[in-house]
Formats: sequence, structure tokens, C-alpha cells
Amino acid sequence: VQLVESGGGLVQSGGSLRLSCAASGFTFSNFWMNWVRQAPGKGLEWVAKIKQDGSEKYYVDSVKGRFTISRDNAKNSVYLQMNIAAAEDTAVYYCARDYYCSGGTCSLDYWGRGTLVTVSS
Amino acid sequence: SYELTQPPSVSVSPGQTASITCSGDKLGAKYASWYQQKPGQSPLLVIYQDTKRPSGIPERFSGSNSGNTATLTISETQSMDEADYYCQAWDSSTANYVFGTGTKVTVL
Repeated sequence: VQLVESGGGLVQSGGSLRLSCAASGFTFSNFWMNWVRQAPGKGLEWVAKIKQDGSEKYYVDSVKGRFTISRDNAKNSVYLQMNIAAAEDTAVYYCARDYYCSGGTCSLDYWGRGTLVTVSS
Repeated sequence: SYELTQPPSVSVSPGQTASITCSGDKLGAKYASWYQQKPGQSPLLVIYQDTKRPSGIPERFSGSNSGNTATLTISETQSMDEADYYCQAWDSSTANYVFGTGTKVTVL
């Protein structure tokens, strides 16, 4: 299993950026996928998740209306479109796979190495 | 919104037992997971569904969850266990994953 994020970089406040995560080593279309971020020196914050077929998406309140998660199962990839970027969005963004699911909840068993997004004002 | 609270730091001597708590309202009614993160690395799942260890995680890592508190216990702690640890649960009311505030474990 491998998850490789890309697309991070410097973006101006109010600008847009699209993050990508390329998956390999497993049947991508069978799994929910997530984005989790970590601001410099801070803890983990879950950002969004998407169902196997893309029909269900969930977001943390702080990004609702600004970020969009999507996926392309033919390309084994999940994306995070970041719009109206703000300074507080500065973080390393990880993609992670849902696994060990029971009772409506899962754990995140594989994580990528992350991609750094810096929002400048 | 749902919150999970952890102590900022825990210190332990090599070979001793470290316990890290994670507190949240009725957390025992949810499943808790635990992640280890070493500097410059991605998080690593060490406990899922309260008590289970993924393949490759040493037996010295164990978990429990009851009432309002989940606990990660590291027995016979080694210097390689020095890391930040985060608990995580699913808040069904908001359909959000929630991470704990994180605990830095120092092996003195």
C-alpha cells in the first residue's frame, strides 16, 4: 500500500490550490479515503472523507463551503480542492485510508507522507 | 462539537509502563483508535477498536476504553517509543473524525 500526496506549495490568502493523492497497492475503489492536516507544531485535524463511489462526502466545519474532496477511481486518486485559502489552512496535508471499520466508524491504517501547503497573507 | 482531551506530556523511565489517557463525553460508547507520530514522520496506527493491534505493532502496546476515558498503555517502554500519541474517535452527530489534543511521551 502506498499513498503519495502532491500539489502543495505557496498560495496567497484567498487563492486556490488542488491537492492530489495517488494510491497503489490495493483496490482503491473499495475504500473510503480521508484528508487530515497538521499545522506546524500542532496536532492532527481531520479535514474530509469521501465514500468509495464519491456519493457521500463529509467535512470539518472550518472548511465547509471552501474545500471539496473528490476522487477518480479510474486513476486511483483522491483530491482536495482548496478555495478561499486562509492563513489557518497552512499545514501538512495527509491522505489516509479508512480501514478496520465497525459500528459506523473506522481507523486510518495507511497514511501518505504529506504535502505542505503554506498560505501567505 | 465533540472534543477529546489528552495530557500534553507523559514521562517514563525505560522498561517502565506509560499510560496515556484520552477523555471525551461518553467516549466508552464509541470506538477509540491511537496513533503514534515521530518527528518528521506520518502518523502510525497502533490501536484500533479500543483494544486491537494492527499487524506489526508490538504487544507492549495495549488499549482500553470505558466510561469517558480511553487509555493507551505502553509496557516495558523503550527509547523508540518516544513520540507524540493521538487518540481518535468518530462523532456520529457531525459525521466527523475527531483527534485528541496529543500527548508527547518522553523516555527519560
